Amino acid sequence: DAGVIQSPRHEVTEMGQEVTLRCKPISGHNSLFWYRQTMMRGLELLIYFNNNVPIDDSGMPEDRFSAKMPNASFSTLKIQPSEPRDSAVYFCASSLAQDRAAFFGPGTRLTVL
Amino acid sequence: EDQVTQSPEALRLQEGESSSLNCSYTVSGLRGLFWYRQDPGKGPEFLFTLYSAGEEKEKERLKATLTKKESFLHITAPKPEDSATYLCAVQAGSGTYKYIFGTGTRLKVLA
Repeated sequence: DAGVIQSPRHEVTEMGQEVTLRCKPISGHNSLFWYRQTMMRGLELLIYFNNNVPIDDSGMPEDRFSAKMPNASFSTLKIQPSEPRDSAVYFCASSLAQDRAAFFGPGTRLTVL
Repeated sequence: EDQVTQSPEALRLQEGESSSLNCSYTVSGLRGLFWYRQDPGKGPEFLFTLYSAGEEKEKERLKATLTKKESFLHITAPKPEDSATYLCAVQAGSGTYKYIFGTGTRLKVLA
């Protein structure tokens, strides 16, 4: 069975550019999570969806970040404009339900110059 | 404020030397506690879910236990391939179902 799929795996961009990260959750999973991981702050939840509806976006840093889940098999996390402090590894995860274990994708390593 | 603290931050063991990792939490109620393993350059890999005090789960050399204030991940006779960062996360009993992650324990097992 395919796990969570993320693309791209690596992204290098310049400050001010728009960045779009993509995620395909495990088929049949109803909850999808976006996390960011840095050495300083560890794993932080940015936003999560349940049945394609955003439930908790309290971790989204600011208006430069936005996330969408147009259907059960696809989600995007967009940063516009990007800044060097956004450099991190971004993980997407999915779970069968909100109270079940989340399974993580391989992550997207973002570098903003 | 909901909080998760893991200790020690780093641990070096000789192969075969058993030990325990700690995850203490302060949350308003507990829906669930989750243990993950993370290898460098990879996403966290799910290990266990614990829901109530007294519960235990085992997988190969790993055993997770839960009390009302903390969880332990016991590693019995570890091997070098057990080297990784071990993360725990909790879901609080109120509000949304978001995870709160600890900062992890970096485990190195020497051959």
